[in-house]
Amino acid sequence: DTGVSQDPRHKITKRGQNVTFRCDPISEHNRLYWYRQTLGQGPEFLTYFQNEAQLEKSRLLSDRFSAERPKGSFSTLEIQRTEQGDSAMYLCASSPGGVSVGANVLTFGAGSRLTVL
Amino acid sequence: SQQGEEDPQALSIQEGENATMNCSYKTSINNLQWYRQNSGRGLVHLILIRSNEREKHSGRLRVTLDTSKKSSSLLITASRAADTASYFCATVPSGTYKYIFGTGTRLKVLA
Repeated sequence: DTGVSQDPRHKITKRGQNVTFRCDPISEHNRLYWYRQTLGQGPEFLTYFQNEAQLEKSRLLSDRFSAERPKGSFSTLEIQRTEQGDSAMYLCASSPGGVSVGANVLTFGAGSRLTVL
Repeated sequence: SQQGEEDPQALSIQEGENATMNCSYKTSINNLQWYRQNSGRGLVHLILIRSNEREKHSGRLRVTLDTSKKSSSLLITASRAADTASYFCATVPSGTYKYIFGTGTRLKVLA
């Protein structure tokens, strides 16, 4: 297992188009997170999955954002009708879950950078 | 809103010096974590300190936690050029699952 994988690494799109990002977490991790990060800022929480259940979603997200984790393994994040303000790095992270201290440590992917023209 | 706030926002030191950065948070926590991010990359976990711990060491890293002041500090001793990165603290407010990251401290270590 090589860690958390994200695809694509870079995406350039025109305003109004839809984009989809994929995240493959570490296989034994049942918790999966999506974050968004803009230049000079810290990661901003978007949503959280435990297995296939989406348990928390940021109120900052508009209806244009949707995420799925259909079989509790990989996850997708879709942005519909993209706007220039959506330009950011989209980060995926996973953690094992459970009660041990290591259960709460996040492993991040390298991110998917979105540029909306 | 961001819960963690790091201070200073930027720090520039010479190789071999120590670097100290601070984090403040707002609500009760179970643990606090520090992450490092190299430019344009994902974040890497550095160290976790539980709410019932006051100090923890890992290699050249030393973390302290003061729950009464809702603050933490990260000390990097004998810094190296490779330590150049942004450093973030992260907490999980009680009753939620989301990790809240601050705006980070951008550390530059000059060779």
